[in-house]
Amino acid sequence: GNSVTQMEGPVTLSEEAFLTINCTYTATGYPSLFWYVQYPGEGLQLLLKATKADDKGSNKGFEATYRKETTSFHLEKGSVQVSDSAVYFCALSGGGNQGGKLIFGQGTELSVKP
Amino acid sequence: GAGVSQSPSNKVTEKGKDVELRCDPISGHTALYWYRQSLGQGLEFLIYFQGNSAPDKSGLPSDRFSAERTGGSVSTLTIQRTQQEDSAVYLCASSLGDRDGYTFGSGTRLTVV
Repeated sequence: GNSVTQMEGPVTLSEEAFLTINCTYTATGYPSLFWYVQYPGEGLQLLLKATKADDKGSNKGFEATYRKETTSFHLEKGSVQVSDSAVYFCALSGGGNQGGKLIFGQGTELSVKP
Repeated sequence: GAGVSQSPSNKVTEKGKDVELRCDPISGHTALYWYRQSLGQGLEFLIYFQGNSAPDKSGLPSDRFSAERTGGSVSTLTIQRTQQEDSAVYLCASSLGDRDGYTFGSGTRLTVV
């Protein structure tokens, strides 16, 4: 079945550092890909999405490009801030016989130090 | 409503009791999902409703768990004879379709003592 694998955390960076959180997926068909963020004490929020190959999702300075050839959707940000400290989840839906079920990676905790 | 509403926000129950968790999705969203997030764990899929189709119950961990969605809107997740390992945050989400964003509620934190 479909699955999502993220790099393990926690990831600790200094403010203004470059961020990459790796995400790869396994799916048949053409799934949609998402990044969700969970700030401390809050619920899950959609950060960005991409629905087809080579699409780039972007929001709040974060970007991720849907790479079908490498089955990846890595999250990047050029300059992180302390306020970006959160848990980031990569997810997919659709494709194959999974229907609309949203399948999550295990989450990557990001801690940004001033 | 403007967002996905879940109630109660917190629930403490004694082991062996039944609990009901409620989810009000965004009006017009045909798809509704329940997930569970345990401390230090990822997100575990429980059940998925899409329109009038039969729900995908493949994630329910045992027959003590059940869910229904009445009138294509409000959903109730019921856990019978609760166990301590059921303690978690139960999240509900709704969406228009699998290529749209999913909007999550704030969750119900269930503690079984």
